[in-house]
Amino acid sequence: TQLLEQSPQFLSIQEGENLTVYCNSSSVFSSLQWYRQEPGEGPVLLVTVVTGGEVKKLKRLTFQFGDARKDSSLHITAAQPGDTGLYLCAGGRAGNMLTFGGGTRLMVKP
Amino acid sequence: DVKVTQSSRYLVKRTGEKVFLECVQDMDHENMFWYRQDPGLGLRLIYFSYDVKMKEKGDIPEGYSVSREKKERFSLILESASTNQTSMYLCASSAPSSGGWHNEQFFGPGTRLTVL
Repeated sequence: TQLLEQSPQFLSIQEGENLTVYCNSSSVFSSLQWYRQEPGEGPVLLVTVVTGGEVKKLKRLTFQFGDARKDSSLHITAAQPGDTGLYLCAGGRAGNMLTFGGGTRLMVKP
Repeated sequence: DVKVTQSSRYLVKRTGEKVFLECVQDMDHENMFWYRQDPGLGLRLIYFSYDVKMKEKGDIPEGYSVSREKKERFSLILESASTNQTSMYLCASSAPSSGGWHNEQFFGPGTRLTVL
């Protein structure tokens, strides 16, 4: 079974700070997705990366896929309270399925 | 607006009861998924269906079964509920993936099941 480890599990920061969340595996994934989940809702896709070394930006969020396609990172610049939520990485595997990491719970205090 | 709906937001059942969780999607997606979500463990795949009447076991299928009689509806069944099945259950759907690209999974709001 392919495993994805996320770190840190919890992060509590002040508004305006920068942060990075990591997603690591010993397995190669064909693609890597990041989702955000807010309380009482299902996860919502933020981005998909497919090429080793790929970097994608979504406003203040920067996503990177490792060269070997075994790891990924999410960097948030100048975090805002609206960024609060559970961030999940998910690796693409055979047969349309995803393997999810354990999640990073982010709280941004005003 | 695309939508995945789940039959209940909260459910309380007793040990040994048969439990049905229903999921409906309106996007004409071939793929449908059932996950359970527990703190620190992320989402773990229980079952996956890629077409009507077709199913595949996920990573933790023990104690669960599924039914897909219509394309838009995917049901999760707990034949005899146990306390260790207390969890958040999430349903998702997606279009088929190809060439290493995995399409977005659209999730329902979840059902929080408590088994007493």
